[in-house]
Amino acid sequence: TQLLEQSPQFLSIQEGENLTVYCNSSSVFSSLQWYRQEPGEGPVLLVTVVTGGEVKKLKRLTFQFGDARKDSSLHITAAQPGDTGLYLCAGAGRYGGSQGNLIFGKGTKLSVKP
Amino acid sequence: EADIYQTPRYLVIGTGKKITLECSQTMGHDKMYWYQQDPGMELHLIHYSYGVNSTEKGDLSSESTVSRIRTEHFPLTLESARPSHTSQYLCASSEGDFPGNQPQHFGDGTRLSIL
Repeated sequence: TQLLEQSPQFLSIQEGENLTVYCNSSSVFSSLQWYRQEPGEGPVLLVTVVTGGEVKKLKRLTFQFGDARKDSSLHITAAQPGDTGLYLCAGAGRYGGSQGNLIFGKGTKLSVKP
Repeated sequence: EADIYQTPRYLVIGTGKKITLECSQTMGHDKMYWYQQDPGMELHLIHYSYGVNSTEKGDLSSESTVSRIRTEHFPLTLESARPSHTSQYLCASSEGDFPGNQPQHFGDGTRLSIL
């Protein structure tokens, strides 16, 4: 069974601080997606990383896919209250019974206080 | 702007009732999914469909059933609701041959509470 472990589970910081959240697995994924979910809404895709070692930037958010494609990180620079939300990573299996469907981590709940 | 719609948004209903959760998308996506999400837990895939007349069970066992008679419509039905079915249900769709490399577009969910 492929599992994605996200850490930390909860993070509460002040506006302007930097933070990193992690998504780790013992399994190799063909690609990994990051979503943000706000209360009362469905998740919204932020980025997809496909190549081992890949780094993608989205304004103040930097995403990295591990060289071995087993882990990923999301770094936010100078966090703002608008960054508050649940950050979910989701991996697509290379093979297997789920037909390449996504496997989600439990998420990191981020709160940025003004 | 949402191109995938779920109704109802909230439903509180008694044990034993038959429930249908609606999901419709206007993007013409072949692939559609139902997930169950509980607080502090990951999204669990309970059903998916790769096109009309195609439905499969996901990784998490569920007593619900689904149908896909039209591309845009993927309803989920519980024949006899129980308190253990209380959860948030999220519907999603995607395009492409390999689902994992394509973004999934989610509805805003139905929060179901069975008394």
